[in-house]
Amino acid sequence: GNSVTQMEGPVTLSEEAFLTINCTYTATGYPSLFWYVQYPGEGLQLLLKATKADDKGSNKGFEATYRKETTSFHLEKGSVQVSDSAVYFCALNNFNKFYFGSGTKLNVKP
Amino acid sequence: EPEVTQTPSHQVTQMGQEVILRCVPISNHLYFYWYRQILGQKVEFLVSFYNNEISEKSEIFDDQFSVERPDGSNFTLKIRSTKLEDSAMYFCASSGALAGRDIQYFGAGTRLSVL
Repeated sequence: GNSVTQMEGPVTLSEEAFLTINCTYTATGYPSLFWYVQYPGEGLQLLLKATKADDKGSNKGFEATYRKETTSFHLEKGSVQVSDSAVYFCALNNFNKFYFGSGTKLNVKP
Repeated sequence: EPEVTQTPSHQVTQMGQEVILRCVPISNHLYFYWYRQILGQKVEFLVSFYNNEISEKSEIFDDQFSVERPDGSNFTLKIRSTKLEDSAMYFCASSGALAGRDIQYFGAGTRLSVL
């Protein structure tokens, strides 16, 4: 079947710290992989995507590389800001159906 | 930037009542979806809709649920007789033509509280 597992939160970091949020997946076929972000009171916003193995998605300083050999799509950012505080969801799209991880809450302190 | 809008943002209802959650997808999109997220749990797929019919649904989407596109802009989710366990955040999403189907754009959600 298809599923996504991501690290549990909350993750609390100081401003300018390095961020990693782990995500692994199980899928049949060749899914596309996504990170969505949810700011308080808002919907899910696409952060980045990768459609095939070894693709790197990047946006707003965040990046993630599609690793087929480890079935992973870890989210990284070199220097987080207070404004990055949100819930981050890893997701896969297989045959136009999305499967989401449980979300990881990130708190960034000044 | 175009966005998916959902109303209301919060709906409170009594068990057994019918509710209709409303969504206005992005105007040139062709594929529409509903998801739900029970508090503290994963976002779960409910149903997808294309060309005025359901294209896929999950086992959660039982006979109590229905979807409709009553006009050219709205996309609704109806729960016929709500249960306590229907309390959740419901997200609507839409995606574009075939080439863009793999990116779904989400609304801010409707929080449904069943008392």
